Amino acid sequence: AQSVTQPDIHITVSEGASLELRCNYSYGATPYLFWYVQSPGQGLQLLLKYFSGDTLVQGIKGFEAEFKRSQSSFNLRKPSVHWSDAAEYFCAVGDKNTGKLIFGQGTTLQVKP
Amino acid sequence: EAQVTQNPRYLITVTGKKLTVTCSQNMNHEYMSWYRQDPGLGLRQIYYSMNVEVTDKGDVPEGYKVSRKEKRNFPLILESPSPNQTSLYFCAAGRYEQYFGPGTRLTVT
Repeated sequence: AQSVTQPDIHITVSEGASLELRCNYSYGATPYLFWYVQSPGQGLQLLLKYFSGDTLVQGIKGFEAEFKRSQSSFNLRKPSVHWSDAAEYFCAVGDKNTGKLIFGQGTTLQVKP
Repeated sequence: EAQVTQNPRYLITVTGKKLTVTCSQNMNHEYMSWYRQDPGLGLRQIYYSMNVEVTDKGDVPEGYKVSRKEKRNFPLILESPSPNQTSLYFCAAGRYEQYFGPGTRLTVT
């Protein structure tokens, strides 16, 4: 069955520090992969996506993610976190047949000054 | 501006009182869908629509109905809401890259 696991429910980092949010997926073929961010009281904004090709993808707001097929992972990274990055982050895999997005449980990022 | 709009944004209702949450998009996407978000569960798809007059169940369709009479609108209907449908609901447009509305927070008492 298709699934997405985000092992870290809550992460706290200091402003200016680097960030890595983990995402592992289960999918029978080459997946479509996404990272979304949700600020408090807001909808979901697409940060970046992977469909094929280069396994390191760049997104908005200085984020990047790397697709590693051997590890079934799609971890999100940012070299220097800003206080405005505090939000909830969701990893998702796209079902190519139905278009459904299968989401992980989310990781809440807190940024310390 | 390309966007997905939902109304209402907040709704408190009572068990059994029919309600409709509207969703509209101006991006001309054929594919639209509804998700619900619950703490610790992420988002789960309720229904989706590949095109006008074509709808299908997602992972959690029980207690919900949808219709797709025109491309831009995809309303979510709760004919007899129950407290377990208290949740945050998102409409999305686009298939391989989905754009989400601002959400509707529904409370059923």
